[in-house]
Amino acid sequence: AQSVTQLGSHVSVSEGALVLLRCNYSSSVPPYLFWYVQYPNQGLQLLLKYTSAATLVKGINGFEAEFKKSETSFHLTKPSAHMSDAAEYFCAVTKRNQGGKLIFGQGTELSVKP
Amino acid sequence: DVKVTQSSRYLVKRTGEKVFLECVQDMDHENMFWYRQDPGLGLRLIYFSYDVKMKEKGDIPEGYSVSREKKERFSLILESASTNQTSMYLCASSLQGDLFDTQYFGPGTRLTVL
Repeated sequence: AQSVTQLGSHVSVSEGALVLLRCNYSSSVPPYLFWYVQYPNQGLQLLLKYTSAATLVKGINGFEAEFKKSETSFHLTKPSAHMSDAAEYFCAVTKRNQGGKLIFGQGTELSVKP
Repeated sequence: DVKVTQSSRYLVKRTGEKVFLECVQDMDHENMFWYRQDPGLGLRLIYFSYDVKMKEKGDIPEGYSVSREKKERFSLILESASTNQTSMYLCASSLQGDLFDTQYFGPGTRLTVL
């Protein structure tokens, strides 16, 4: 069975610091992996997705994630945090022929201090 | 842009009431999903639908039912609301031909059952 684990339910960084949000997955077959972001009082929107084309994936708002098969990880990074990055971030996994079903991690809330 | 709308942002109901949550998407997507979001648990799939009049159970269907009479509309029904159904409910849709399963989310309905 597939699953996703996000390490750290809360992460706090200073403005301008590196953002690193961790995601590990388990899957018996090559997965498709996603990061979604949820700003306060809004639904989720897609940040980026890994679909086996390239291991380093660039997304919106300066975020990127690297797929590491040996570590079963798909960590999200951003070189310099901005106050507007404060939100909740969800990692999700699916695989081919799942009919669109996503398995979500528990979520990580990112706080950015001035 | 894909737009997914949900009928209410906030809803307060009493135990035992029948509750309808409505979701409409405007991009002719075949797939539609209902999730509930709880702190520390991420998003959990309640029901999903691949086509009109078609539905499949997700991971936590107990206490819920759904209806999809038209392609653009997917309704979640709580037959007899209970306090443990107090939660944030998110609707999503995706294109059936999209192998990489990008889902588009509505803003959510925060339901409180007293």
